[in-house]
Amino acid sequence: QQQVKQSPQSLIVQKGGISIINCAYENTAFDYFPWYQQFPGKGPALLIAIRPDVSEKKEGRFTISFNKSAKQFSLHIMDSQPGDSATYFCAAGRGSTLGRLYFGRGTQLTVWP
Amino acid sequence: NAGVMQNPRHLVRRRGQEARLRCSPMKGHSHVYWYRQLPEEGLKFMVYLQKENIIDESGMPKERFSAEFPKEGPSILRIQQVVRGDSAAYFCASTATGGTNEKLFFGSGTQLSVL
Repeated sequence: QQQVKQSPQSLIVQKGGISIINCAYENTAFDYFPWYQQFPGKGPALLIAIRPDVSEKKEGRFTISFNKSAKQFSLHIMDSQPGDSATYFCAAGRGSTLGRLYFGRGTQLTVWP
Repeated sequence: NAGVMQNPRHLVRRRGQEARLRCSPMKGHSHVYWYRQLPEEGLKFMVYLQKENIIDESGMPKERFSAEFPKEGPSILRIQQVVRGDSAAYFCASTATGGTNEKLFFGSGTQLSVL
C-alpha cells in the first residue's frame, strides 16, 4: 500500500514557468513532510521540509504548501530553470523517527530553455 | 568533509551469488538507514541501524537480506543468493543522532544488477 501518493509522474515546464507537484498521504500520525531532489546517478538531496504547524514554507524559489485537513501538500518551483530538471520525491514521516520516511513514486521534471 | 560514501557504485552478480554493499556515514554520524529504489518507484525503507544495533528492520525482506553496523568500519547490507528481483539501486543515509530536527543525508547509491 502506497502511503504517499504523488502526481504527476512527469512534468514539462518552460523556463521561467511554475512547476507544481502534488502529494497526498493517509496516516495522520505523520508530522514531517520533506521534498527531495535527485539527479541521475546521485542520491536524493533534501530540498525543503515542512511540519504541520504551518501551512506554507518558502525557501528561495521553492515553496511547500500544506493542507492538513485534506492531507495534501505540494511543491511549487517558481521561475523554473533548466538546472531544476531532476526527479522530485515527496516523503512523509514522523519526526520522532526521522530516518524512516515513506516516499512518493517521484516526478520527473523537465524544464525547457 | 566527505558525505555519505557508498561502494561499490555498480555491482553485477549472477543469480545465486552474494552481494555486499558498504556504507560509510558522514563523519560524526552514528545512525544509518538503508533504502531500496526500484525503477520508476520511490525509495522504500529497509532498515535502521545504530552502531552495533539494529533499531528497525521492518522493511527488510525476511529471507536472504541482513544488515550490520559494527563498532568499527562501514555498515554492510548483505544479500544472499541474489535473484533478478533484487536488481535495484540501494541507498544509504545517515544522521548524527536521529533527532527530529536533523537532515537525512543520502549517499550516491549502489546499483545492483543481477544477471
